[in-house]
Amino acid sequence: QKEVEQDPGPLSVPEGAIVSLNCTYSNSAFQYFMWYRQYSRKGPELLMYTYSSGNKEDGRFTAQVDKSSKYISLFIRDSQPSDSATYLCAMSGIGFGNTGKLIFGQGTTLQVKP
Amino acid sequence: NAGVTQTPKFRILKIGQSMTLQCAQDMNHNYMYWYRQDPGMGLKLIYYSVGAGITDKGEVPNGYNVSRSTTEDFPLRLELAAPSQTSVYFCASSYNHNEQFFGPGTRLTVL
Repeated sequence: QKEVEQDPGPLSVPEGAIVSLNCTYSNSAFQYFMWYRQYSRKGPELLMYTYSSGNKEDGRFTAQVDKSSKYISLFIRDSQPSDSATYLCAMSGIGFGNTGKLIFGQGTTLQVKP
Repeated sequence: NAGVTQTPKFRILKIGQSMTLQCAQDMNHNYMYWYRQDPGMGLKLIYYSVGAGITDKGEVPNGYNVSRSTTEDFPLRLELAAPSQTSVYFCASSYNHNEQFFGPGTRLTVL
């Protein structure tokens, strides 16, 4: 079993739809949860960063962490064609020492159609 | 700030050739990382460094070497290129060992 599981998609939605992207994980030591967005032929860029459980909102984006279920989500409201990209979840926590190493999911490819 | 820069952007190697992928950051970050990304896959950590003079292996280090003589630079060396090393390589850096900033990537093909 992989430490972090993410459905690769692709996921295709119409413009304006609410998008839900998810990751599950197995390591209960994870405390830091991130979502990266990667446009085609570009490097990943940090989109959302959450510590421990709870919700975090930034504009049209909401990140949720449920540590009891080992499940994290990214919601995109009023999706736009410019949101078309691959979304990678990433995690870290105690047990990784002072290394800053992240464990990434496989990434979900999202296409928002006009 | 230029952020994280990588050179070259593209490269084609023959089997058995060697090359160095360059990575530099101007944010004074202590932590630096090298990843490879294969089609449809996530990022796999090759090597990482927590400061100048300190490096360690990641998940897939075989066939690669690194050095970290300065805070700014973290080159990745391929000694005997193999087709299995065809991939996109990303360098990243971070200051608080969680939020990593990525470079634009190097697309490498080994034929």
